[in-house]
Amino acid sequence: NAGVTQTPKFQVLKTGQSMTLQCAQDMNHNSMYWYRQDPGMGLRLIYYSASEGTTDKGEVPNGYNVSRLNKREFSLRLESAAPSQTSVYFCASSAYRAQATNEKLFFGSGTQLSVL
Amino acid sequence: AQSVTQLGSHVSVSEGALVLLRCNYSSSVPPYLFWYVQYPNQGLQLLLKYTSAATLVKGINGFEAEFKKSETSFHLTKPSAHMSDAAEYFCAVSLWGSQGNLIFGKGTKLSVKP
Repeated sequence: NAGVTQTPKFQVLKTGQSMTLQCAQDMNHNSMYWYRQDPGMGLRLIYYSASEGTTDKGEVPNGYNVSRLNKREFSLRLESAAPSQTSVYFCASSAYRAQATNEKLFFGSGTQLSVL
Repeated sequence: AQSVTQLGSHVSVSEGALVLLRCNYSSSVPPYLFWYVQYPNQGLQLLLKYTSAATLVKGINGFEAEFKKSETSFHLTKPSAHMSDAAEYFCAVSLWGSQGNLIFGKGTKLSVKP
């Protein structure tokens, strides 16, 4: 019973390098999310995908791109990494979204990214 | 304007003492409210959620929270802290018009002393 799986768990990049964070869920959820967590800032939404084939910007989308590859997978790409993108990244999923939802989010275990 | 405020970035209690973690929200319409817990090196897990069915919500691991509309609060409590409760706790709100996205507070780190 995997839930939400993120890879890699740790990554160190040099400024300007690119990379893709992978996320997959096996719960047949419609909605998927990418958050970043910084000390004292809580979680901030980067991008989300309400359903397969759609993606939308969250609170802090600059410097990131996403792809909803299929219903299971939602990837986050850093095209040119910057030190300000050093953070812990969490992928999450939920069954569906609505105007105001009480849906539970299921989180992956996170990717710790350092950009030097 | 911040939609959810957690008072105290760090709370320390003794084992067996009352745990009280504070959360206030700003919304003219009662929102859906959540508490999530994050244990070290793990993702977040749902502790409990308020969905207007009852103002006192019971969650996992003996935690509960009370929705108080007059105070716009949703504080998390546990009568007796256990060492295993040491973690970071996040209050979150889902607002009408937010298209279902959760807005998280900045978190409160709970330490439990033996």
